[in-house]
Amino acid sequence: GAGVSQSPSNKVTEKGKDVELRCDPISGHTALYWYRQSLGQGLEFLIYFQGNSAPDKSGLPSDRFSAERTGGSVSTLTIQRTQQEDSAVYLCASSRPPSQETQYFGPGTRLLVL
Amino acid sequence: GNSVTQMEGPVTLSEEAFLTINCTYTATGYPSLFWYVQYPGEGLQLLLKATKADDKGSNKGFEATYRKETTSFHLEKGSVQVSDSAVYFCALTIIYSGAGSYQLTFGKGTKLSVIP
Repeated sequence: GAGVSQSPSNKVTEKGKDVELRCDPISGHTALYWYRQSLGQGLEFLIYFQGNSAPDKSGLPSDRFSAERTGGSVSTLTIQRTQQEDSAVYLCASSRPPSQETQYFGPGTRLLVL
Repeated sequence: GNSVTQMEGPVTLSEEAFLTINCTYTATGYPSLFWYVQYPGEGLQLLLKATKADDKGSNKGFEATYRKETTSFHLEKGSVQVSDSAVYFCALTIIYSGAGSYQLTFGKGTKLSVIP
């Protein structure tokens, strides 16, 4: 079956612009996660969704970062007023009961802020 | 807090050599442990996992045993192939009962290159 998909695969933007990153989880997966992979910080958790709710936003680095999920499926991560330090690969993962600890990752969106 | 420490890379091995990538962890609760692999140009893939002490995860000739007494989950393979060249990440998760989140905490990754 189809895996987790993300779009765009690459995004180049200018400092100060807003960007939206999209994630399509595996059908039927109720849990959705966003992570960030950067050279300096490695892989970091950003936010967790269960259905359309986000009970754990503890990894969002600043209030410029937000995310939403609609219909228990697609999620959008928005970064406002991008900064150069936001350059990274943004990864999405999904999972479902009973093995919620096993997450399946998408290919990521590579973001470059100039 | 939770953390994962894995050996620094890069690691370069000849084909058919024995591989060990060390991984140790600290956790505030009882974690599940994972190894993920990222092949060049591809996304993260689950390689193997173990959910309780003394469990052995295995896949594609790779093995790792959950050692609670040493808080370790070292990855091993008896005979590596060129196709095993990738970045390997050790990770843990603990369910946060309040939020129900299984967020993963990752090590920094170890790049493995296997030469013919």
